[in-house]
Amino acid sequence: DIQMTQSPSSLSASVGDRVTITCRASQGIRIDLGWYQQKPGKAPRRLIYAASSLQSGVPSRFSGSGSGTEFTLTISSLQPEDSATYYCLQYNTFPWTFGQGTKVEIK
Amino acid sequence: QAQLVQSGAEVKKPGASVKVSCKASGYDFSNYGVSWVRQAPGQGLEWMGWIGPYNGNTKYAQRFQGRVTMTTDTSTTTVYMELRSLRSDDTAVYYCARDLITPRAWFDPWGQGTLVTVSS
Repeated sequence: DIQMTQSPSSLSASVGDRVTITCRASQGIRIDLGWYQQKPGKAPRRLIYAASSLQSGVPSRFSGSGSGTEFTLTISSLQPEDSATYYCLQYNTFPWTFGQGTKVEIK
Repeated sequence: QAQLVQSGAEVKKPGASVKVSCKASGYDFSNYGVSWVRQAPGQGLEWMGWIGPYNGNTKYAQRFQGRVTMTTDTSTTTVYMELRSLRSDDTAVYYCARDLITPRAWFDPWGQGTLVTVSS
């Protein structure tokens, strides 16, 4: 199975900060990667697909980049409502696999 | 708009089976598939498998092969996920998510989740 490794596992940042989360794949996955946001007790919500395409309705402060084995999710200006856990997902090879998650907290 | 509504929480004994339903509305059911994802308490997300709108087309994660069956009922636009030989580590919230007619991890929207508790 392809292993997806996210870093950091958690972070704490202030409102307005730029936040970057990294996801590394154990083998090349082209751009077959999505990013998801999950708040406690809720279903995940897709933010990004195909590594850099923004899901309709998602604020433009979220962006994704990368290809092959290294990917990033960037929040350009952190907002209070962005407090959540973020997951990457590779869908290049079965079984599809998620990263372990990055918990983002607001200082 | 597209919506998926799942069945309610279940409590099962080890060795039993559970069948979770996912009722789709607001879109053309025949043009989309559904994936299932689970999340153990306090843990991350795990993809279980995908089913197209018709029962013959499925793709299961290897670790669930032989224990999971996904089916659809096009007359009621409902998708089902049955997991057999339950163990305590199957305790999790099970989510359905709309996917494409071929598996592409589209995952939008998601159902609200169904908590399955396996306990003696």
